[in-house]
Amino acid sequence: QSALTQPASVSGSPGQSITISCTGTSSDVGSYNLVSWYQQHPGKAPKLMIYEGSKRPSGVSNRFSGSKSGNTASLTISGLQAEDEADYYCCSYAGSSTFGAVFGGGTQLTVL
Amino acid sequence: QLQLQESGPGLVKPSETLSLTCTVSGGSISSSSYYWGWIRQPPGKGLEWIGSIYYSGSTYYNPSLKSRVTISVDTSKNQFSLKLSSVTAADTAVYYCARREYSSSWYLPGWFDPWGQGTLVTVSS
Repeated sequence: QSALTQPASVSGSPGQSITISCTGTSSDVGSYNLVSWYQQHPGKAPKLMIYEGSKRPSGVSNRFSGSKSGNTASLTISGLQAEDEADYYCCSYAGSSTFGAVFGGGTQLTVL
Repeated sequence: QLQLQESGPGLVKPSETLSLTCTVSGGSISSSSYYWGWIRQPPGKGLEWIGSIYYSGSTYYNPSLKSRVTISVDTSKNQFSLKLSSVTAADTAVYYCARREYSSSWYLPGWFDPWGQGTLVTVSS
């Protein structure tokens, strides 16, 4: 299982929207809508932001949304706020051979 | 509220076995709706799934680590554990335990939530 591909960094100004892509293969992202997204602030544990591609856990702001097209999933953050500055990781079910999980390399979001 | 807490030595010598335990509180590890997993993050790098276990004892490992990893569960203590053998400096990382939720839409293991706070394990002589 190979890591999912994310851009190393993205940036945006407060109030703007940004989108982070996450590209996998037809064996993982493309076959299952089991992509999840995590926010990680420095020195902290990852926090679930999106699951099953587009669902938000209770307590997560509706400024965060997820989608998928083919082998690529995306996380969009609208109305950027300073506290959104963090690393973001995507994760997908890796297929029936391992019942495993595969993560993306992570994207550092900078709020200018 | 479910909480997970990792525990174990913070320093392991090369070629030895890394052993960590995750204690689950605020809920039962024996629920049929969840798997339990280990994920690691080398300093300054990304996340890597190590493996998962179901309360029944069924295990699933990352193919790249499979030969060195053992995950076990102790339902009487509400704990699950990780053993990683023959460690090298490349195994230095923050190790997280997390609950992996079962997707009722796909009948497959899905997302990780919540996570423990993580514990740094350094491999060095």
